[in-house]
Amino acid sequence: DAKTTQPNSMESNEEEPVHLPCNHSTISGTDYIHWYRQLPSQGPEYVIHGLTSNVNNRMASLAIAEDRKSSTLILHRATLRDAAVYYCILRDVYGGYQKVTFGIGTKLQVIP
Amino acid sequence: GAGVSQSPRYKVAKRGQDVALRCDPISGHVSLFWYQQALGQGPEFLTYFQNEAQLDKSGLPSDRFFAERPEGSVSTLKIQRTQQEDSAVYLCASSLSGGNEYFGPGTRLTVT
Repeated sequence: DAKTTQPNSMESNEEEPVHLPCNHSTISGTDYIHWYRQLPSQGPEYVIHGLTSNVNNRMASLAIAEDRKSSTLILHRATLRDAAVYYCILRDVYGGYQKVTFGIGTKLQVIP
Repeated sequence: GAGVSQSPRYKVAKRGQDVALRCDPISGHVSLFWYQQALGQGPEFLTYFQNEAQLDKSGLPSDRFFAERPEGSVSTLKIQRTQQEDSAVYLCASSLSGGNEYFGPGTRLTVT
């Protein structure tokens, strides 16, 4: 399965925007880019996903490079509740079963 | 309705004991996954069920690990003769076939 690479950790000041990068240079044409986050002592939770176009939802925005080899999760105003590990994963667009690889993710620290 | 629930939330086992971890998926979710998450690492795939059928068990680390989902809803992950290296958080996730995965809070297993 195609893999992703992310920085191990990032810091942000509270109420500042945060840009979390993800590289996926071996992405295939049918892979969706998904982001999950894991708050302390909880299971991962879905954040957002996209295929080619940029996406927005109530939690975040996803900016996808034109060649799809990288993407950026954007939190518009970081809060202390956003401190978590963020995972970027790839999932085939045809759905069905697919074993995904989470990797280590990016640990986001939000500074008050 | 309710999200994915797991029990127990915490389990301490002496080396050599058998343990059973339970997962109650979201009602109607066809797909069910088990993951193992070591400290500081991302979730690692263990096994996948579609309804009652175990379609992929390639991530189970040894034959001491066994999972079942006999009626296509509740699932149990059993670990026989636990070893210290089995200490981890065990996460269960469910999804509609091919959709986003919804994770439970996990069971933290400590083998002493």
